[in-house]
Amino acid sequence: DAKTTQPPSMDCAEGRAANLPCNHSTISGNEYVYWYRQIHSQGPQYIIHGLKNNETNEMASLIITEDRKSSTLILPHATLRDTAVYYCIVRVGDTGFQKLVFGTGTRLLVSP
Amino acid sequence: GAVVSQHPSWVICKSGTSVKIECRSLDFQATTMFWYRQFPKQSLMLMATSNEGSKATYEQGVEKDKFLINHASLTLSTLTVTSAHPEDSSFYICSARDQGKGAEAFFGQGTRLTVV
Repeated sequence: DAKTTQPPSMDCAEGRAANLPCNHSTISGNEYVYWYRQIHSQGPQYIIHGLKNNETNEMASLIITEDRKSSTLILPHATLRDTAVYYCIVRVGDTGFQKLVFGTGTRLLVSP
Repeated sequence: GAVVSQHPSWVICKSGTSVKIECRSLDFQATTMFWYRQFPKQSLMLMATSNEGSKATYEQGVEKDKFLINHASLTLSTLTVTSAHPEDSSFYICSARDQGKGAEAFFGQGTRLTVV
C-alpha cells in the first residue's frame, strides 16, 4: 500500500472549517483513500473514503486532486468534539478484508 | 453502523499471568478480524489478522506464541496475552468488517492492559 504523509498537528477554531491535507504521491490506480479518526482512548472511527471523485457524507467531505497524489478532508463546521487524531490511509480495493495500516496521523485541536 | 465490542475495557494483571481480550461483532458476521496495539502517543500497530476457523496471520516481529489468537466463530475473536510483562502494557484494539456491507472497518472501543 502507498505511503501517506500528514502534518503532525493542526489547530482550528470552533465553528470554522477544518481542512486536513494528506499526500500520497505514490498512490496507484486501484488504491482508495480512507480517512479515520481516533478520539483519545477510543478505537478509530471511519469517516469517509474515495477513489478519484470527491465524496461527501454527514461527517465530512473528501477532495481528491485530479492526479490523485493528494487529498483533503474537510470538516465543514468543526466542534470541540472533533478534536482527535485523523489518519489518512491508502489501500487497495474497497471490498474484501485487506488490513488497514495506520501512519502517524494529524492531531487536530479544535478550540473555543 | 455496525458495532464491534471489546471486553474488558481495561484490565490490570500481575506479571507472569495471562489475559484474554474478547472482540465481538454484535450485529454482523466477520470472517476476518484484525488486532492492533497502540502505545502512548503512537499510532496503531497491526499485530495480526484473525481468520475464522483457521490460524491467525501475524505481522513481522509479533510473537505468535505470546499473543494467542482464536477466532472460533463468525462473531468472536479472542486475543490472549500469555505470561504478560510490564512491556506488554498497551492499548489493544480489534476491528472487523461487515462482509455484507461496504468497505469501512469498524473498531472496538479498545482494551487498556496494565501489567504490574
